Amino acid sequence: KAGVTQTPRYLIKTRGQQVTLSCSPISGHRSVSWYQQTPGQGLQFLFEYFSETQRNKGNFPGRFSGRQFSNSRSEMNVSTLELGDSALYLCASSLTSGGGYEQYFGPGTRLTVT
Amino acid sequence: GDSVTQMEGPVTLSEEAFLTINCTYTATGYPSLFWYVQYPGEGLQLLLKATKADDKGSNKGFEATYRKETTSFHLEKGSVQVSDSAVYFCALSDSNTNAGKSTFGDGTTLTVKP
Repeated sequence: KAGVTQTPRYLIKTRGQQVTLSCSPISGHRSVSWYQQTPGQGLQFLFEYFSETQRNKGNFPGRFSGRQFSNSRSEMNVSTLELGDSALYLCASSLTSGGGYEQYFGPGTRLTVT
Repeated sequence: GDSVTQMEGPVTLSEEAFLTINCTYTATGYPSLFWYVQYPGEGLQLLLKATKADDKGSNKGFEATYRKETTSFHLEKGSVQVSDSAVYFCALSDSNTNAGKSTFGDGTTLTVKP
């Protein structure tokens, strides 16, 4: 079974631009969560989608948004990029929503904002 | 809220040494506990998990026991190899709250020297 895939793997953007990242979960998984990983803040939860609905959201500004499609693929968008948005963005899929289930992570998208 | 505290790194060991990485947690509900491993340039991989008190998770020679009385989930391995060099994350997922969200520790970098 194919793992979680994320595209693109690397991205360089300029301050003020916007960016869209994509995540395809493991086949049959319906929950997709997004995390931001930085050296200073570690792994921080952005949001989770299940059946095209946002179920949970972390403490990030409204510039960070996401959506999920009927095939469970998910996208996250960051508008008006800031230098501090430079990070590794990880997508994780899980069989279903609710706590207690292990998550399967993709390789991440490395975003650099200049 | 939920939190995970991990032993600070980095940890440097010689091959075949015994490994312990401490992890303690705070949770309002009844969390499941996980250890993930991250190799350079990759996403997180699930190493092992435990879903209730006194459960022992094990995989690839690594073990961790869910201790509710001490709110701990310490990772151990009897004999480490150079290939175990990576960053290790302790995490929890609460089955009663925070759908789709895992809370992570800061990670512990392990380097094993031949």
